[in-house]
Amino acid sequence: EAAVTQSPRNKVTVTGGNVTLSCRQTNSHNYMYWYRQDTGHGLRLIHYSYGAGNLQIGDVPDGYKATRTTQEDFFLLLELASPSQTSLYFCASRVTGQDTQYFGPGTRLLVL
Amino acid sequence: QQQVRQSPQSLTVWEGGTTVLTCSYEDSTFNYFPWYQQFPGEGPALLISILSVSDKKEDGRFTTFFNKREKKLSLHIIDSQPGDSATYFCAAMGSSGNKLIFGIGTLLSVKP
Repeated sequence: EAAVTQSPRNKVTVTGGNVTLSCRQTNSHNYMYWYRQDTGHGLRLIHYSYGAGNLQIGDVPDGYKATRTTQEDFFLLLELASPSQTSLYFCASRVTGQDTQYFGPGTRLLVL
Repeated sequence: QQQVRQSPQSLTVWEGGTTVLTCSYEDSTFNYFPWYQQFPGEGPALLISILSVSDKKEDGRFTTFFNKREKKLSLHIIDSQPGDSATYFCAAMGSSGNKLIFGIGTLLSVKP
C-alpha cells in the first residue's frame, strides 16, 4: 500500500502569517499533488509536480506557492495567509502510467 | 463552473438498501472516471474506476455505470452497510492524464 504522510496535521495561524505544509511519499511516485477540500466544492487542485524541481499550476493556485525539493518531498507555502485559505489540505501521489492517486491523511488549517 | 457535477450532496439509506450516486460532465475528452471513498479524518481512497470504453464495472457490492452518450456515470452500492457511511467523490480525467477533476462529493449515511 502506497504511503503518503503530511505534517502538521493541524495548524492555526493568523491573517498575514507564513505557513508551510509538508508532504512526503516513499512510493517512488513521480507525480505529487496538493488539493484543498471545502464543503460545497469538493477537492480542488492547487499545484502539482511530476518530479523534483518541477511545478505545474492547478485550478485554484492564487495565494499559494509550492516547491518539490526531492522525489519524496512536496511543500505548499502560504506566504500571506488569509481567512479564505482556512481549509482541509490533502497531498496525493501517483506513478506515471497508473491513474490511481494515493492521498495523505490531510492537514487542517485555520487562519484567524 | 463545475466541470463534474455530482448529486445528491447527502443521502441517507437503510441498511440492506441500494445506494445510487450520480455524476455528469461536459468535457468529451474525459476518458477515465474514478470514484473515491473518504472516511472522516482520512484522505480519499480509490474505490472503483471505469474507462470510457466500458459501460459497467463491478467490484463486489459496488458497481459503476458509464453512459458516454449522456455524459453521465453512477455508483450503485447494493446491500448497503453502516460501514459504507462515508463521503463519495466522482472524478474525471482527460487524455492528458495529469490531473483529476472532482465532483463536490456525496455524504452517505447508512442507518442500521
